Parts: sequence; C-alpha cells; structure tokens
Amino acid sequence: AQRVTQPEKLLSVFKGAPVELKCNYSYSGSPELFWYVQYSRQRLQLLLRHISRESIKGFTADLNKGETSFHLKKPFAQEEDSAMYYCALSGGGTSYGKLTFGQGTILTVHP
Amino acid sequence: DGGITQSPKYLFRKEGQNVTLSCEQNLNHDAMYWYRQDPGQGLRLIYYSQIVNDFQKGDIAEGYSVSREKKESFPLTVTSAQKNPTAFYLCASSVQGYEQYFGPGTRLTVT
Repeated sequence: AQRVTQPEKLLSVFKGAPVELKCNYSYSGSPELFWYVQYSRQRLQLLLRHISRESIKGFTADLNKGETSFHLKKPFAQEEDSAMYYCALSGGGTSYGKLTFGQGTILTVHP
Repeated sequence: DGGITQSPKYLFRKEGQNVTLSCEQNLNHDAMYWYRQDPGQGLRLIYYSQIVNDFQKGDIAEGYSVSREKKESFPLTVTSAQKNPTAFYLCASSVQGYEQYFGPGTRLTVT
C-alpha cells in the first residue's frame, strides 16, 4: 500500500523567512513524487515533480529515499506563496498514474 | 483555464436522492479521475478510468458509481448509499503517468 503523510496542517511564516513543508511517504517500490498547490479561488495545479528536478517559483524538493521524504523548500517566502500544498505519490504497476495525496498543509505567509 | 470542466459549481440535494456530477475534458487525455476533498483529509480517490469503457475503484468507492462511455466524459453518481455525501468533488484528467489537470470542482450539499 502507498501512503503519504504531511505532518503539519498549518504553517505560518513571515515574508522573507525560509519555509519547509514536510512530506513523508511509504511505498515498497520506486515512487514518483509530486507537489500540487491550490491558491485561493484557483484550481489545484502541479507545482513540481521530483523527476524534473526543477525549481518552480523558487521552490525545490529533493527525494530522499533513505528517509522516505520529499520536503518542499523555499529560502525566502513571499506573501503570494500562501496556499494549500499537497504532496502526492504515484506508484507503478497497475497503479501507474494513480495518485495518493497527503492531507495537505495550509501555508500562510505574513507581511 | 479551459480544458476540463465540471458542472454545476454548487449542487443541493435531499437525502435519499441520487445525484450525478458532470466532468468533461477536451485535452484528449486517456485517464480521468474523481476525488473527494474534505478538510483535514486531503484528496481521496473515488474512481479512476485509464481508458474508455473501463474504470477501477479507488480508495473510497462505496456509495458512488461512474461510467466512461466517451473519452471526453466521466460522470460521477453519488447514490443514496453514500453515508456522508456532502463534500467538495474534484475531477482530473491526464495522459497516463503524467501531470493530472484538475477541474474547478463541485460542492455538493445533501440535507
């Protein structure tokens, strides 16, 4: 079975401070990990995926297979980063393409 | 923001009635998905379809049914057997194994 855990429901930081949203997973094979974001009054959308190794809007995430983690980081948070963030995992085999989501973290960046 | 649409945006029903939520996409995606979003529980997969005329149960399929007669359409029926149907429902589509694109959602209230 595949499982994704985001331990923080709420996270508050001040503008310019570093931010880290935690994500841990359990999966027996080689997973593909994603971060999705939902800004206020907008659709849920992909932020980044580990396979692309990109930095999007200043965010990065590194897959740590030893710690089974995929934490999302940004060195200097901006007010426009305030949103709901979901970590998600896609397995292989017959579940290929099917996503398992974490519970989500609401990030608030204060001015 | 086109591509994947859900209607209606808000839906109200009396307990004991079945209700069908619409999901349409013009992205030529083979795979389509239905999720339920509840506060503190993230997104949970109800049903998914990887190809026309085929679909599989997700993690919380009880009380729901779907059909996939056309590539563009994946309607979800919330039956009277669903014990707690009031929720926000999200539809998504993807090229198999790639990014999922989400619709704007339907908020269903059953009283």
